[in-house]
Amino acid sequence: GENVEQHPSTLSVQEGDSAVIKCTYSDSASNYFPWYKQELGKGPQLIIDIRSNVGEKKDQRIAVTLNKTAKHFSLHITETQPEDSAVYFCAADAGSARQLTFGSGTQLTVLP
Amino acid sequence: KAGVTQTPRYLIKTRGQQVTLSCSPISGHRSVSWYQQTPGQGLQFLFEYFSETQRNKGNFPGRFSGRQFSNSRSEMNVSTLELGDSALYLCASSFSQGAGEQYFGPGTRLTVT
Repeated sequence: GENVEQHPSTLSVQEGDSAVIKCTYSDSASNYFPWYKQELGKGPQLIIDIRSNVGEKKDQRIAVTLNKTAKHFSLHITETQPEDSAVYFCAADAGSARQLTFGSGTQLTVLP
Repeated sequence: KAGVTQTPRYLIKTRGQQVTLSCSPISGHRSVSWYQQTPGQGLQFLFEYFSETQRNKGNFPGRFSGRQFSNSRSEMNVSTLELGDSALYLCASSFSQGAGEQYFGPGTRLTVT
């Protein structure tokens, strides 16, 4: 089955700096890659996603890049703010059935 | 549009008991998936329902079961609870099958003592 690895597990940045979180996946059939943000006491919130026919997608301060050949994708957050502090999860979906396989999460802390 | 709702938000049960959790998807969404979240294992897929049929199942024992009603609301049941079943149970809804956006509810925090 699919295996998703996520790095780093913790990340601290100064407010205003950029943050990058990286994930690799194993199943070449995976074709959908969402990113979720989870704040304490809440469920994961979909913040951006990308499909396998696209190399990059941007939404204001966040962007995701996908390298299908290398089977890795990354989340980029620019101009970080304290409210960006949360746990971020990457995931992959092979599409044959709706089953997201999640990475282990990254605790992002933005220091004021 | 209202988001995914889950009830109850918190539950405390004793080993050996059973529990039923409920999920109401976003209006118009027909697919409901369930996930278990624990500090040790992370987010793991339990099962997915679409049009009242289970379409996919994760690697969990048969004590974990679910169903979906004609209005797309879903329930999951865990029988003969074990201490290791303590977790946050998350429900996610989506419009259709196939790879695409899933929207999560706030979860039900189950504690087994």
